[in-house]
This record gives sequence, C-alpha cells and structure tokens, in this order.
Amino acid sequence: QKEVEQNSGPLSVPEGAIASLNCTYSDRVSQSFFWYRQYSGKSPELIMSIYSNGDKEDGRFTAQLNKASQYVSLLIRDSQPSDSATYLCAVKYIASKLTFGTGTRLQVTL
Amino acid sequence: EAGVAQSPRYKIIEKRQSVAFWCNPISGHATLYWYQQILGQGPKLLIQFQNNGVVDDSQLPKDRFSAERLKGVDSTLKIQPAKLEDSAVYLCASSLEGTQSNQPQHFGDGTRLSIL
Repeated sequence: QKEVEQNSGPLSVPEGAIASLNCTYSDRVSQSFFWYRQYSGKSPELIMSIYSNGDKEDGRFTAQLNKASQYVSLLIRDSQPSDSATYLCAVKYIASKLTFGTGTRLQVTL
Repeated sequence: EAGVAQSPRYKIIEKRQSVAFWCNPISGHATLYWYQQILGQGPKLLIQFQNNGVVDDSQLPKDRFSAERLKGVDSTLKIQPAKLEDSAVYLCASSLEGTQSNQPQHFGDGTRLSIL
C-alpha cells in the first residue's frame, strides 16, 4: 500500500525562524508532490508543487525533493503567526490517485 | 476565477437518515474529486470523475454512498443511511486533467457533517 508519512507535531517555531516540515513516501514510482496548507476549519489550500529532484522556491517557501531517499520537505523562512496551520504533504503516484499524509501542525510563537 | 463551490457548509442529521452534498467545480476543470476528511487525518479519496465518467471509486462504501456527475459539470454525493462514523468533512476538488497528469487539485470549502 502506498503511504505518505508525516510527523503530526505540533512543530513549534518562534516568529522569524525557519520552519522545516518533512514528508516521506513509500513508493519510488511517484510522479508529483504537493504541499497544502489547511487552517483549522478550512479546506486545504495549495501552496507548492514540485516534480523533479532539487529545490523549488516561491517567496518564503522552498520545497525540496529527493526521490532517491523518498522524501520531500517544505521550508518556511521568516515564519509568521499567520503560518500557523496544518501542512499536508500529498504524493501523486503514476496512474493513481493523490495520497495525503496526516499533516503536520505548525505553531509559530510570538 | 471562481473557485470550487460546495453546499451546504454544515449539516447535522441523525444516524440512519440520508444526506446529499453538492459541488460545482472550477469552470473548465474536467476532473472532479470527492474526499472524506476525518478529524486529525488527511483527506481520503472517495470517488474521482473524469467528465461524467467514474475513474476511481475503489474507496467509496457503495452500500451507503453514491455519487453522480450526470452532465460532466456539477456533482452530488449522497449518503443513505448515515452511520456515526460518517461524521467528517466532505471536500470536493477539481483539476484540469486527470489520472495521467500532474495538474494540482483545488478544493472547495467543504461540508462539515455531524451524525447524532
């Protein structure tokens, strides 16, 4: 069974620090990778997608993919209290559905 | 661009009753998904439509859940009869293309269902 694993947290970081969120997946035959942010009581919101090995930067967010080690991470620089949310990692396997992890809860403290 | 529309936002019913949810995807999106998200878990796919055809319904409890997308645009998801374990948020998502593509999925606000 293809799985996506995340530490549920909470991950607590002070305001202005770098938050590092990690995700591992079980199958090498993966196609694309997504990070969604979900505020409490709200729906998931896409913040990053990454398809090839290496880093992809978008503003304060950087996604990192290492297919050989089967992990994908999300770095949030200059963390703000508004970044406090649950971050869902999702992996799209070839010819299959999008599989979500259980999410990591991030708390940015003042 | 208007997002994925869902209704109702909240629904409270008693067990063994029936309930229906509605979803209208982003204009032009051929693929529509229904997910169930139980508190503290990630979304779990229930059913995926490509236009008006079902692509994947392997995790849909077909004895009580049904879904349709008759004209390839909006969709309804029904539960009949509801059980206590169906209490969850039901999310609809859409994307430009389906299984073979890398297109990201965009979610609606969801329907929060409580079973008493």
